[in-house]
Amino acid sequence: GENVEQHPSTLSVQEGDSAVIKCTYSDSASNYFPWYKQELGKRPQLIIDIRSNVGEKKDQRIAVTLNKTAKHFSLHITETQPEDSAVYFCAASITGNQFYFGTGTSLTVIP
Amino acid sequence: GAVVSQHPSRVICKSGTSVKIECRSLDFQATTMFWYRQFPKQSLMLMATSNEGSKATYEQGVEKDKFLINHASLTLSTLTVTSAHPEDSSFYICSAYLATGGDEQYFGPGTRLTVT
Repeated sequence: GENVEQHPSTLSVQEGDSAVIKCTYSDSASNYFPWYKQELGKRPQLIIDIRSNVGEKKDQRIAVTLNKTAKHFSLHITETQPEDSAVYFCAASITGNQFYFGTGTSLTVIP
Repeated sequence: GAVVSQHPSRVICKSGTSVKIECRSLDFQATTMFWYRQFPKQSLMLMATSNEGSKATYEQGVEKDKFLINHASLTLSTLTVTSAHPEDSSFYICSAYLATGGDEQYFGPGTRLTVT
């Protein structure tokens, strides 16, 4: 099955700085890569996603890049704010089928 | 956006009893629902994929006789933890996949199970 690795496991940044989280996947058939933000005790919330036919996608302060050849994708958060503090998960999926999650990154934005 | 509910939100049961968790898609029909388990400060671990009207597909290492999944309708899937033990204590989250709505899955709020 698919194996998704995520780094770093914890990340602290100063407010206003950028944060980058990286994931790799093993199954070249995976074609959908969502990113989720999860606050303590709550459900994961989709923040951005990218499909394998696209190399980069941006939504305001959040961007995701995908390198299919290297099988890795990254989340970029610019101008971080304290409310960005949460656990972020990447995932990989073959459309409509099982979603496999990375191990999570606990992001702390220091005011 | 699509709404998925989960019930109960918290449950405490005694060792040896069974617990049923319901996952409902409230405003759409979900052909596929997923069940995850999440330990504190850890990732979501996919347990099984539930397709309406057919048997669930379990991930390797997940006991299908222990975690019974039923997907009787396009809006309801249930997970029953049978003969629960303390090591089954965890946060269980379901999600519903809308085939015609893109690739996104919509998560339920989760169920905190504590087995004493």
